[in-house]
Amino acid sequence: SQQGEEDPQALSIQEGENATMNCSYKTSINNLQWYRQNSGRGLVHLILIRSNEREKHSGRLRVTLDTSKKSSSLLITASRAADTASYFCATDRSPRLTFGEGTQLTVNP
Amino acid sequence: DTAVSQTPKYLVTQMGNDKSIKCEQNLGHDTMYWYKQDSKKFLKIMFSYNNKELIINETVPNRFSPKSPDKAHLNLHINSLELGDSAVYFCASSQEASEQFFGPGTRLTVL
Repeated sequence: SQQGEEDPQALSIQEGENATMNCSYKTSINNLQWYRQNSGRGLVHLILIRSNEREKHSGRLRVTLDTSKKSSSLLITASRAADTASYFCATDRSPRLTFGEGTQLTVNP
Repeated sequence: DTAVSQTPKYLVTQMGNDKSIKCEQNLGHDTMYWYKQDSKKFLKIMFSYNNKELIINETVPNRFSPKSPDKAHLNLHINSLELGDSAVYFCASSQEASEQFFGPGTRLTVL
């Protein structure tokens, strides 16, 4: 079955630096979504990019999608300690959303 | 004002017991989901209901039985609990092919 794979599994940076996370998948999709999960909490939706879009911005987040390479990246600019969380990509082939294994981001103050 | 709520938040029980987790959403969404997140944070879909009809039923032991009394509620009943059922269970809801809203999770520990 289709499953997103994320890279890296863990990322540790200093406050103010940019963080880039990558996601690869195997089959065609309707859209791709990114979620954040703080420790001990539920997932929170960050951004959705449709299969016919190449780039999308939301505040300090920038997502790209390359359907020919079946990959996406999430860039968080000017990171803050509060960005420390696990980040998951999820590929949508409705009604099914399939999550990747996640990237644990740690932003050190 | 909680969009998706789950009860209980924590559940500790003995092997062999039967337990239920309840989920409610006040967003007016048509579709609800149950996910299981294991100790490595891998999130796997278990079930999905659209307007009270089952639309996703993954390879889950039949000890797990979802019930949707109405489109705002999706409960999960688990019979004969096993050690391997220990995990965090998340409920979520969505409207069509869009973002999903997750509940806070229920941490199930089977002793």
